[in-house]
Amino acid sequence: DVKVTQSSRYLVKRTGEKVFLECVQDMDHENMFWYRQDPGLGLRLIYFSYDVKMKEKGDIPEGYSVSREKKERFSLILESASTNQTSMYLCASSYPLTSGGSLPKNIQYFGAGTRLSVL
Amino acid sequence: TQLLEQSPQFLSIQEGENLTVYCNSSSVFSSLQWYRQEPGEGPVLLVTVVTGGEVKKLKRLTFQFGDARKDSSLHITAAQPGDTGLYLCAGAARYSGNTPLVFGKGTRLSVIA
Repeated sequence: DVKVTQSSRYLVKRTGEKVFLECVQDMDHENMFWYRQDPGLGLRLIYFSYDVKMKEKGDIPEGYSVSREKKERFSLILESASTNQTSMYLCASSYPLTSGGSLPKNIQYFGAGTRLSVL
Repeated sequence: TQLLEQSPQFLSIQEGENLTVYCNSSSVFSSLQWYRQEPGEGPVLLVTVVTGGEVKKLKRLTFQFGDARKDSSLHITAAQPGDTGLYLCAGAARYSGNTPLVFGKGTRLSVIA
């Protein structure tokens, strides 16, 4: 079974702190994604990555950065946390659409989420 | 920008009732996925539909992809409390390559025993 592991289920941080959210997947997926999920707004894509050291902005990248130094690990960084970044953060990974053979292309496997509260 | 509109946003029904959730767009998608998310967990894939007009069944759940590949529906027969959760549809752009999935905002279903 695919496993996507997020380092923390719950985090409480202070305004202005630097926050690291870690995500690790064990399926050798090329693609990795960070979303935030808020009531009434659904899943919003923050950043994604299609390869090591590669990143692309999603729909709401402001206030966030990412790092992908190894294929299995994708980190989301809040440089200076603010109260409006209080949210559920979800990491996902997938094989790309261009994968060959019978691989389950483009299906996203999600972690259990990190609920971040910024006070 | 491609958008997926889901309706209804909320649904509360009694055990044993039937229900349908809709996922609509003005854009064409190469495939549509349905996910279910239970409280405290991440979304989990239920099904992928690829061909226009395709119907897939998963026990009491029936998924349909519109002929024009712009919309999809999820029908649950004889709902049970275990069906409670957030249902999300997600579309892959027609010429996606590495374009991320487009997610609807979800339908929150509550099935009362």
